[in-house]
Amino acid sequence: EPEVTQTPSHQVTQMGQEVILRCVPISNHLYFYWYRQILGQKVEFLVSFYNNEISEKSEIFDDQFSVERPDGSNFTLKIRSTKLEDSAMYFCASFRLAGGGSPGELFFGEGSRLTVL
Amino acid sequence: SQQGEEDPQALSIQEGENATMNCSYKTSINNLQWYRQNSGRGLVHLILIRSNEREKHSGRLRVTLDTSKKSSSLLITASRAADTASYFCATGAIQGAQKLVFGQGTRLTINP
Repeated sequence: EPEVTQTPSHQVTQMGQEVILRCVPISNHLYFYWYRQILGQKVEFLVSFYNNEISEKSEIFDDQFSVERPDGSNFTLKIRSTKLEDSAMYFCASFRLAGGGSPGELFFGEGSRLTVL
Repeated sequence: SQQGEEDPQALSIQEGENATMNCSYKTSINNLQWYRQNSGRGLVHLILIRSNEREKHSGRLRVTLDTSKKSSSLLITASRAADTASYFCATGAIQGAQKLVFGQGTRLTINP
């Protein structure tokens, strides 16, 4: 069964360093997302991406964050200068285009745990 | 915010009992979905109910939706130890936003 894959599974970095989290969405999906979950807390929307551009982003997704789909398969989240509060599990998700303009079932990866020291 | 809020935050029951989790949201929705998350893992889609539906079944899962009260419930019947996980509701907006907004989650523990 097709799945969303994410790398790395865990990354430890020093505050101020750049981090790139990678995702390979399911191949025939058109919408891509990044969510994050601080330990034990809710799953927070960061950004959605469609047709090679950001379609929506949250307040969390400030200028330190960027996303890219460099080669038609990978979908990356970059954090330019990490802060302690960026420590979280980052989930990539994708879905097929559903009718009615609202997403149907999202397929999530297993997540990348980012620890900022 | 259209954010869903689950109730209770934590639920502990004996194996074989039924587990009911509730979700409330604030704005009009196109659909409401329930996801499961095992500890330290990704989210897995369980079931989707559209705004024009009132009840949906999938195996041991039963979901209801009351749009007048802006609430949904997830019932897991004949619970098993393997059902131990966190359960999240997520709402999809009617227009514009191509995203799901997740609630706080209910931590379900099934005791053998």
